[in-house]
Amino acid sequence: GIQVEQSPPDLILQEGANSTLRCNFSDSVNNLQWFHQNPWGQLINLFYIPSGTKQNGRLSATTVATERYSLLYISSSQTTDSGVYFCAAQAGTALIFGKGTTLSVSS
Amino acid sequence: DTAVSQTPKYLVTQMGNDKSIKCEQNLGHDTMYWYKQDSKKFLKIMFSYNNKELIINETVPNRFSPKSPDKAHLNLHINSLELGDSAVYFCASSHKPLPGTLYNEQFFGPGTRLTVL
Repeated sequence: GIQVEQSPPDLILQEGANSTLRCNFSDSVNNLQWFHQNPWGQLINLFYIPSGTKQNGRLSATTVATERYSLLYISSSQTTDSGVYFCAAQAGTALIFGKGTTLSVSS
Repeated sequence: DTAVSQTPKYLVTQMGNDKSIKCEQNLGHDTMYWYKQDSKKFLKIMFSYNNKELIINETVPNRFSPKSPDKAHLNLHINSLELGDSAVYFCASSHKPLPGTLYNEQFFGPGTRLTVL
C-alpha cells in the first residue's frame, strides 16, 4: 500500500517565524489532505489538495502530484499554531496518515 | 451545527467488557469511517462503510464491529475489551466523489478516548 512520510518530525519556532512542512508519498494519489491536531485532540481540516496550490490566511499548501510530494507553509506563526500537523493520502478506500510533524511555537 | 459528532467523549472500562461508541454525521455524506489513534499518535483506518459496502482493515480484530442503522450513523461495537484497545477512536465521513474524481474530502469527529483498565 501507499506510504506517507512527513518531515521534520519535530519543529520548534519563535512566534512570528515561517516554516515549511513536507509530505512525501510513495504512489499516485487521488486525495491529499492536511490536518492540524490541536492540543485538545481535535483533527481540524486545513486543506484538501490532491494537486495545485491553495491558501487560507497565513497557511498555504502545494501538492505536486507528479513528483509525489506536498508542502504546507505556515507564515508568521502564532502560539495557537502549536500541535501536530498530519498529511494524509488516499489511493484506496481510506486515508493513509503520515506520522505527523509536532510544532511548538513559543512567544 | 453541521458536523460529525461522537459519544461518549471519554470511556473508561474494565478488561473483558463490551462497549459501543456512537457516531453521527449531519453533513449528508455517503461514506463513513472509523480510525484508531494509538499512544504514539499514529492514525490508522479500521473500517470504511457506505450503504453498499463495508471494507474492513484486515489487521482489525473481529472483536470490533461497525453497525450502521442508517446513512447518518456508524457505531463501533467492541467485545471483550483488552488493554491494547486503549486509544482514541475517530469517526469520519465524506461525500460521494465529485464527477471526474475518485474520492472526496473527509471530515472528522472530535474523537473518543477509550481507556481499558
